Amino acid sequence: QTVVTQEPSLTASPGGTVTLTCASSTGAVTSGYYPNWFQQKPGQAPRALIYSTSNKHSWTPARFSGSLLGGKAALTLSGVQPEDEAEYYCLLYYGGDWVFGGGTKLTVL
Amino acid sequence: EVQLVQSGAEVKKPGESLKISCKGSGYSFTTYWIGWVRQMPEKGLEWMGIIYPGDSDTRYSPSFQGQVTISADKSISTAYLQWSSLKASDTAMYYCARLFGGREFDYWGQGTLVTVSS
Repeated sequence: QTVVTQEPSLTASPGGTVTLTCASSTGAVTSGYYPNWFQQKPGQAPRALIYSTSNKHSWTPARFSGSLLGGKAALTLSGVQPEDEAEYYCLLYYGGDWVFGGGTKLTVL
Repeated sequence: EVQLVQSGAEVKKPGESLKISCKGSGYSFTTYWIGWVRQMPEKGLEWMGIIYPGDSDTRYSPSFQGQVTISADKSISTAYLQWSSLKASDTAMYYCARLFGGREFDYWGQGTLVTVSS
């Protein structure tokens, strides 16, 4: 059973920078896992932010960026805004199967 | 404008059957995979399976194989998720989402809340 691991919770200050990571139990995450990132606010459907590691959707704010960092997929928020407080999920592709990470609850204080 | 509109909330009893829907519009429904995702109360997202409406090719997560059936009617641009015998543990929010490139998710439906209780 493949497990994708994210930080359960992180706190960021308004205007600051925070990086969320996404690790695979199978080893280093590469671009071949097509990392996707999603934001979910309470009572709302998930919203796609990043695809193929680092590509943004047309609606993704510029302050969000994706990368590979130390064998993990990473989502960085630069210039955190209060409205960024949400749950963030990564998704990895395993050749016909997909596994979500457990989610990171980002608090903006 | 791409939209995925899901059917409304359902309240069912254990053992009953159910079919929920996801109607796509604003794009060529037959040329994009549609996926289904479960979110149990206060829990994370779980991928359930996908379908290609063009030919109804379907893939299931091992965790959901045999537990649900995914189908589609391309004539009305609608994908379905169905259960033959619901359990209380099926209580969850269910989302559909469009895949592009066969691997990545972009647009999501608003979700359908399914409550199974005696």
